[in-house]
Amino acid sequence: KNQVEQSPQSLIILEGKNCTLQCNYTVSPFSNLRWYKQDTGRGPVSLTIMTFSENTKSNGRYTATLDADTKQSSLHITASQLSDSASYICVVSAEAAGNKLTFGGGTRVLVKP
Amino acid sequence: DGGITQSPKYLFRKEGQNVTLSCEQNLNHDAMYWYRQDPGQGLRLIYYSQIVNDFQKGDIAEGYSVSREKKESFPLTVTSAQKNPTAFYLCASGFGELFFGEGSRLTVL
Repeated sequence: KNQVEQSPQSLIILEGKNCTLQCNYTVSPFSNLRWYKQDTGRGPVSLTIMTFSENTKSNGRYTATLDADTKQSSLHITASQLSDSASYICVVSAEAAGNKLTFGGGTRVLVKP
Repeated sequence: DGGITQSPKYLFRKEGQNVTLSCEQNLNHDAMYWYRQDPGQGLRLIYYSQIVNDFQKGDIAEGYSVSREKKESFPLTVTSAQKNPTAFYLCASGFGELFFGEGSRLTVL
């Protein structure tokens, strides 16, 4: 069964600090992995997409890494800002008809001043 | 601006009532999706449509119905057969990369 597990479920960090979110998946065959940011009560917005051959991808203060061998990804937030308070969702696409997506449960990040 | 519009943002339903959530997109996408989001859980696929006049059941289709009469529109009806409808509903469109609407929060009174 395809699964995506994210950790931690939630974390609190002080403004200006860094943090790293984890995503482990068992989706096979792997097509790509995305990180989405979802503000409370809003729809998710794509941050990064990574394919099998990519190890690192950055989007501003967000840097995603992918280890396709261990089936792990991480999202690193640098110099956090209050606006980073949101849920971050890892989504893995299976290389099959329709590119079926499997969503992780998300990590809720709260940045405190 | 191009995007996906969901309405209403908030909806209250009495038990036994059907309600319809609207989803409109002007991104010219063929594929559209409905997801349900519950606290602490990953998004779950309700229905999807890859082309006009065609749609497929997702993982949790029971108690829901959809139509796809126009490329731009993919409304979702939550029927009285859905026993636990209180949730946040997200509409999306695209292939590979999904673009999401702002969501509709349904509460059963």
